[in-house]
Amino acid sequence: GAGVSQTPSNKVTEKGKYVELRCDPISGHTALYWYRQSLGQGPEFLIYFQGTGAADDSGLPNDRFFAVRPEGSVSTLKIQRTERGDSAVYLCASSSPGANVLTFGAGSRLTVL
Amino acid sequence: AQSVSQHNHHVILSEAASLELGCNYSYGGTVNLFWYVQYPGQHLQLLLKYFSGDPLVKGIKGFEAEFINSKFSFNLRKPSVQWSDTAEYFCAVNAYKAAGNKLTFGGGTRVLVKP
Repeated sequence: GAGVSQTPSNKVTEKGKYVELRCDPISGHTALYWYRQSLGQGPEFLIYFQGTGAADDSGLPNDRFFAVRPEGSVSTLKIQRTERGDSAVYLCASSSPGANVLTFGAGSRLTVL
Repeated sequence: AQSVSQHNHHVILSEAASLELGCNYSYGGTVNLFWYVQYPGQHLQLLLKYFSGDPLVKGIKGFEAEFINSKFSFNLRKPSVQWSDTAEYFCAVNAYKAAGNKLTFGGGTRVLVKP
């Protein structure tokens, strides 16, 4: 596609529920990144994929967070047993091979009640 | 570990005023530096970047930034702002030639330009 696509754009859930957020990167972009942006803060790195594998998952806050990219294109960020503190905008970005610039999607706003 | 500090959280100015946003980073090696902008209701967009060479880089919409290695700074400037420059601005850094492009962002500066 022309840009990085993220769905849903908004998700409201209850504490304790399971959530999946989807990212469809720009076609041909081998690297994919997930960031989390809490209110009033800059984006914080969560995880980075190169192809199908997670090259760096050092930003995942705890084991309730997990992400996959099974075919090296679309990625899903999964959050188990959601907590109110998980409320944030989850951003996805991708980059092409050899490029040092990330292109971001519009984000998925997660609200945990 | 890398860190990025943006000194001003909020800036309010009038059209045609000059803008300078401060950014300092902490990292022991060579870095790539970026400014991203987020206009109201839109996604993060790249404003400009510095990898190497001329430390004064020019970006889109009349923005420029100067890399000062000795001060670990990468301040953003625009000589004359417009109402359409109202946005949130983020400075970011990653390690030069590091595997992957894991960016570390500053906390952002909200800029409001009054017409």
